[in-house]
Amino acid sequence: AQTVTQSQPEMSVQEAETVTLSCTYDTSESDYYLFWYKQPPSRQMILVIRQEAYKQQNATENRFSVNFQKAAKSFSLKISDSQLGDAAMYFCAYRKGGGGSQGNLIFGKGTKLSVKP
Amino acid sequence: DAGVIQSPRHEVTEMGQEVTLRCKPISGHDYLFWYRQTMMRGLELLIYFNNNVPIDDSGMPEDRFSAKMPNASFSTLKIQPSEPRDSAVYFCASSLRRVGNYGYTFGSGTRLTVV
Repeated sequence: AQTVTQSQPEMSVQEAETVTLSCTYDTSESDYYLFWYKQPPSRQMILVIRQEAYKQQNATENRFSVNFQKAAKSFSLKISDSQLGDAAMYFCAYRKGGGGSQGNLIFGKGTKLSVKP
Repeated sequence: DAGVIQSPRHEVTEMGQEVTLRCKPISGHDYLFWYRQTMMRGLELLIYFNNNVPIDDSGMPEDRFSAKMPNASFSTLKIQPSEPRDSAVYFCASSLRRVGNYGYTFGSGTRLTVV
């Protein structure tokens, strides 16, 4: 079964600095997708960034970028120029490609990010 | 687009009572998912529907839980009878397709407290 591990329960960053959140996953599949979701105190789950496993180029969305290391099964999130609004829980998620029930989103336990002014 | 709409936002009920959570997916989305979030277990998939048909309910914890999707714009998750260990945040999410890099769009969740 696929698993997603986030080894950092909590992280802290100074405003305007850069922080990297770690995520590793375990799968025997070659076709899959990876996601980072943000959950602020409002509880809303917000999609931050996504990555297709078949793409070597790392995804980037404004201040958010990923470091996708397929061989190492690692998918870290880098937040540049951190802002107070970035404070939230961040969840890494995996989804197998193709159809079937294995294509559901599997989440890590999350990393709580605090941003210090 | 109003997004995925869940109601109520908060629910407090007594043990043994029936609880019904509601969800309106994004118009045009053909997949609907119910997730439960707890501190201990994180986010768990309970059940999902495709074109209003339940496809996989293996995550439903017990027979006390049931879910329906009578039409493309409405789904319910019912717990009867409720127990304190059911206290959690329940999320509904919808997706246009299950394959590809489409992420899910989540509702704001319902925080259920069973006392």
